[in-house]
Order: sequence, then structure tokens, then C-alpha cells
Amino acid sequence: AQKITQTQPGMFVQEKEAVTLDCTYDTSDPSYGLFWYKQPSSGEMIFLIYQGSYDQQNATEGRYSLNFQKARKSANLVISASQLGDSAMYFCAMREGGGGYQKVTFGTGTKLQVIP
Amino acid sequence: DTEVTQTPKHLVMGMTNKKSLKCEQHMGHRAMYWYKQKAKKPPELMFVYSYEKLSINESVPSRFSPECPNSSLLNLHLHALQPEDSALYLCASSQARTGSGANVLTFGAGSRLTVL
Repeated sequence: AQKITQTQPGMFVQEKEAVTLDCTYDTSDPSYGLFWYKQPSSGEMIFLIYQGSYDQQNATEGRYSLNFQKARKSANLVISASQLGDSAMYFCAMREGGGGYQKVTFGTGTKLQVIP
Repeated sequence: DTEVTQTPKHLVMGMTNKKSLKCEQHMGHRAMYWYKQKAKKPPELMFVYSYEKLSINESVPSRFSPECPNSSLLNLHLHALQPEDSALYLCASSQARTGSGANVLTFGAGSRLTVL
């Protein structure tokens, strides 16, 4: 069964606008973590933001925020004030269990293109 | 500069060759990972080492042989590969703390492997 679902294969956004990338997940484990990674065409996976299942507040990191709706099992990434350098593949990922080494499962990704 | 260094960046090998991919980190992380990523797909976990011991092998064929000689180094030995093994191989490392912490994976830039 798919544990992480990203339903948007591709998205376009105008430069300086905000964009939301969708992610839903499925787990029965009460302790889990959700990550967003960015992968430019160069290939490196760049960590953007993390949300723990017990965190009360939505995570924010600069222009990135995570809209965490636990009851709906969604963890959408919001990028504000898009820049041309934001054009990349974006992966939502989940870690199940309480830490230690991380068994992280990735969604299929969303390709974001920022238009000047 | 990435804090996880992978060499070589590109590798072309024949099906009868023996080669190795190398990964090094100096962040004091005690968990290290190998992921395989085919074109336009998400990364798939292959192996996890925690405190230099193999903790997860995701049913990877024996033609891939991981090795963790010390806490900073991770190797992936390749032998008798098939053309379908051509992919981007990503190394990552993380803290291995138990509890509900993030233990974020830090990825290297990857080694792009082509098997002829």
C-alpha cells in the first residue's frame, strides 16, 4: 500500500507567488515524522523542513512552511515568494517509529517549475 | 559544499566488472544509508547501517555488497551488475538518536552508474 501520496506530478507557479505542494500519508504508528526534500537536476537531495507527529505547531523554515493536518493525514508544503531557483523536484517523505536510524519512505514527487 | 561526499560522481562499468562506490561524512553521524534512484522515480532504500552494523537490507540482490569500515565511511561494492542496475546511487547519513527527534537524513550528491 502506498504510504506517501503526492498527486501532483507537475506544478507551475509564477515567480514571487506562493505555491502549495500536496502530500498525504498513511500510517497506524502514533510516532512518525514527515520530511520535505528538494532535488534539483544536479541530483542532490536537499532537506527543507520536518514535522513530527507530536508537534503541536506547524513547522516553518524561512520561505517554507508545512501545513500539517493530522486528522486528514496531510502534510502540504507551502513555498512563499517563489524564486527561479525553486524549480526542482520536491519529495514528501515519512519516517515511522520513534527514531534511531531512519527508515524513510518517499512519495513519487512533484516537479515544480517557476515561471519568470 | 555537501557534508556527505560521494565518489565517483559518474561510473560506467561492464557487466563483468567489479567496482565500488564510496561515501564519507564527518558530521559524527552514526547511521548511514544507501538509496537507489531510477530516472523520474523516488529514491528507494537499499541498506542502513547503524553504529557500523547492518540494520536493514531491503532484499537487495547479492551483486550489491555494502561495507561500513568505520563510522565515517560507507562503501557499496558492485559485481556482475545488470543494465537495469543503472541508476543514481545516493548515500545519506543521520544521527541515530532514539526518541521522537527528527534525525534528518543528509544526502550526498550521488554517484550516477551506467552498466553496459
